[in-house]
Amino acid sequence: DAGVTQSPTHLIKTRGQQVTLRCSPISGHKSVSWYQQVLGQGPQFIFQYYEKEERGRGNFPDRFSARQFPNYSSELNVNALLLGDSALYLCASSPRDGNQPQHFGDGTRLSIL
Amino acid sequence: AQSVTQLDSHVSVSEGTPVLLRCNYSSSYSPSLFWYVQHPNKGLQLLLKYTSAATLVKGINGFEAEFKKSETSFHLTKPSAHMSDAAEYFCVVSERGFQKLVFGTGTRLLVSP
Repeated sequence: DAGVTQSPTHLIKTRGQQVTLRCSPISGHKSVSWYQQVLGQGPQFIFQYYEKEERGRGNFPDRFSARQFPNYSSELNVNALLLGDSALYLCASSPRDGNQPQHFGDGTRLSIL
Repeated sequence: AQSVTQLDSHVSVSEGTPVLLRCNYSSSYSPSLFWYVQHPNKGLQLLLKYTSAATLVKGINGFEAEFKKSETSFHLTKPSAHMSDAAEYFCVVSERGFQKLVFGTGTRLLVSP
């Protein structure tokens, strides 16, 4: 079975632009979470979606938004990109909400010039 | 608020010797605790999880961890290191029933021949 897939794998943008990152969860998984991992640090929680509803939000500005589609895939959008948004963006899925082990994709490496 | 402290940023061992990666946690509620491993340019792989069952938790690839409530610790061990164990290891806490994961800053494990 396919794991969590993320696209694109790498992306280069300039300051002020907008970006959309995509995530397909493991088949049958209904919960998707997004994390930002800045170089040399641990991942930071951005959002969690379950059954197309936002269930949790981390301490990120409103420039960050996300949504989940009926097939449980998800998009993360970031507007007005800043140099500090350069990071590895990780998507994780789990079968249900609550205390479930999460399975991570390989991430999207976003570089801001 | 929950948090984890990984006491060593780098740990160096020789192949075939024991591995000890230290983690202390802070949680207002009964926590769930995890160890994840990240190989270069890859996502995160779950090694093991503690969710209030046995305090000694066995994971994949010969790793195990012991939950010690009195010491608020969840140290990761392996009897004999292998070259393929070289990677970044993250100790992670979540509040029981919630998906948000809080990561430590990571410990880089270096294994020499």
